[in-house]
Amino acid sequence: AQKITQTQPGMFVQEKEAVTLDCTYDTSDQSYGLFWYKQPSSGEMIFLIYQGSYDEQNATEGRYSLNFQKARKSANLVISASQLGDSAMYFCAMREDSNYQLIWGAGTKLIIKP
Amino acid sequence: NAGVTQTPKFQVLKTGQSMTLQCAQDMNHEYMSWYRQDPGMGLRLIHYSVGAGITDQGEVPNGYNVSRSTTEDFPLRLLSAAPSQTSVYFCASSYTNTGNTIYFGEGSWLTVV
Repeated sequence: AQKITQTQPGMFVQEKEAVTLDCTYDTSDQSYGLFWYKQPSSGEMIFLIYQGSYDEQNATEGRYSLNFQKARKSANLVISASQLGDSAMYFCAMREDSNYQLIWGAGTKLIIKP
Repeated sequence: NAGVTQTPKFQVLKTGQSMTLQCAQDMNHEYMSWYRQDPGMGLRLIHYSVGAGITDQGEVPNGYNVSRSTTEDFPLRLLSAAPSQTSVYFCASSYTNTGNTIYFGEGSWLTVV
């Protein structure tokens, strides 16, 4: 079974709109961490945001926030006021603290339209 | 502070050749790992290390060897390259295996013909 599911292969969003990228995960661990990374066309992996399973508040980093719904096993990334430079692939990943290995979703290609 | 440095950035190999992808970090990170990324997919873990002298297999270890003789370096060796190993390879490091921030190298594009 897929441990990380990103159901949106691609999204088009108008510049300045907010966008939500979906991520659901599957784990039986009580302790785990969730990551979001951005991969622009140049190929590098850029860390965006992290949420620990025991963190009670949703993580925020500038325009990025993580909508963490633990009971639903959902960790959606919200980008506020999207910019043209946000166009990229976005990956959700999970690390189970029982084995410390990072498991990745297939990614969502986000295109911001001017 | 160079972060995570991978070399080479691009490489073309013939089937059966061997090569080593180099990875070095200057942040004194204990945890280092190698991933491969195939088109349209997320990253898959090849091997990882939680400290000098300690390595372990990830999800897709076959055809690859690693060693960790120093904290700084974590080379990935392709023993006998196959076309199925054509991929983009990423090295990553974090302070510990539970680090909240994982730093990636810029990637190495490998083509096996």
